[in-house]
Amino acid sequence: AQSVTQPDIHITVSEGASLELRCNYSYGATPYLFWYVQSPGQGLQLLLKYFSGDTLVQGIKGFEAEFKRSQSSFNLRKPSVHWSDAAEYFCAVGAREYGNKLVFGAGTILRVKS
Amino acid sequence: ETGVTQSPTHLIKTRGQQVTLRCSSQSGHNTVSWYQQALGQGPQFIFQYYREEENGRGNFPPRFSGLQFPNYSSELNVNALELDDSALYLCASSDLAGGSYEQYFGPGTRLTVT
Repeated sequence: AQSVTQPDIHITVSEGASLELRCNYSYGATPYLFWYVQSPGQGLQLLLKYFSGDTLVQGIKGFEAEFKRSQSSFNLRKPSVHWSDAAEYFCAVGAREYGNKLVFGAGTILRVKS
Repeated sequence: ETGVTQSPTHLIKTRGQQVTLRCSSQSGHNTVSWYQQALGQGPQFIFQYYREEENGRGNFPPRFSGLQFPNYSSELNVNALELDDSALYLCASSDLAGGSYEQYFGPGTRLTVT
């Protein structure tokens, strides 16, 4: 069965500090990987995606993620966090073989302290 | 370019009633997926519509049904509402015919069942 694990429910970082949000997946097919961000009461905004090729992908708002097939991971990073980055972050996995449905992790809530 | 829109924004229904939620896909997109996001959880895939046909379904009972129209907009219908149906319902559009697996989400409809 397909599953996505985000081990950290909450993370608090200081403004200006670096950030890494973890994501591990279990998938029977070659995965497509995504990170989405959700502000309170809002829909999901696509931050970045990985389909194939270079395993380090750049996204919007200064975020990047690295796909590591051997570890089944797709961790999200940002070198310097801004207060406006406070939100909930979701990792998601899809595959052509599964009809393009996305399987989401439970999310990580990011708090930024000044 | 018009993004994904959903209506209504909020809805309160009584147990046993029926509800219809609406979604207009992003310009140029031909595929609509619906997700249910319960409080504190990641989105769960309900079903997907592609060229007016259901193209995959998650683990939801038949009282969850949908439609896609020739203009690619979509409806989600839920019959015999239960308290556990209270959630944020998200619609996402994509261009499956064009081989794109990125899904773009609308702001959601918050359904409360009392």
